[in-house]
Amino acid sequence: GAVVSQHPSRVICKSGTSVKIECRSLDFQATTMFWYRQFPKQSLMLMATSNEGSKATYEQGVEKDKFLINHASLTLSTLTVTSAHPEDSSFYICSASHTGINQPQHFGDGTRLSIL
Amino acid sequence: QKEVEQNSGPLSVPEGAIASLNCTYSDRVSQSFFWYRQYSGKSPELIMSIYSNGDKEDGRFTAQLNKASQYVSLLIRDSQPSDSATYLCAVNDSNYQLIWGAGTKLIIKP
Repeated sequence: GAVVSQHPSRVICKSGTSVKIECRSLDFQATTMFWYRQFPKQSLMLMATSNEGSKATYEQGVEKDKFLINHASLTLSTLTVTSAHPEDSSFYICSASHTGINQPQHFGDGTRLSIL
Repeated sequence: QKEVEQNSGPLSVPEGAIASLNCTYSDRVSQSFFWYRQYSGKSPELIMSIYSNGDKEDGRFTAQLNKASQYVSLLIRDSQPSDSATYLCAVNDSNYQLIWGAGTKLIIKP
């Protein structure tokens, strides 16, 4: 199996709050984890690639100081949305892949973030 | 620019028929190809992976790969209403990054 757990599943909070999302690979070690954002009826957008023990690689246009990523172990990566504003409201999804080339990504259930 | 192209649909198929989903990719050196299913409001779920030319079958699903034509497809036999979802094609590029198609919305009509 390849189970990825993401928590929390839903967050509703006030503007200015920082929100932390956890992504765990439960039954395998994931050297690399990925963070995506998806707006309604739109495609998945890769935000950043998270590598265990090193700095994340952010996609163009994604503010690294806004979206803090920590990948402290082979089974856990966290995304912190700092000082969230209504425009940050979205569906955030993490994925993880086994070590090795040509491995598929396995997704968590996603976090629906609503900033009031 | 590396691209993965899919028809956005919606593709409407009667229940019990074969649904055929297509995907083309631009990076000739791609080696691994994946199909994901995403229900509305949910995260993507891996359905099939394929790495070599030809067909790969898993239950009602068959993935077909033609590297010469840079084409990968997914066939769903005996389509069920529960197969209604958006199907995402993803292809590894030469740096082993996944390049995603925009997805095809499939509707199975009872």
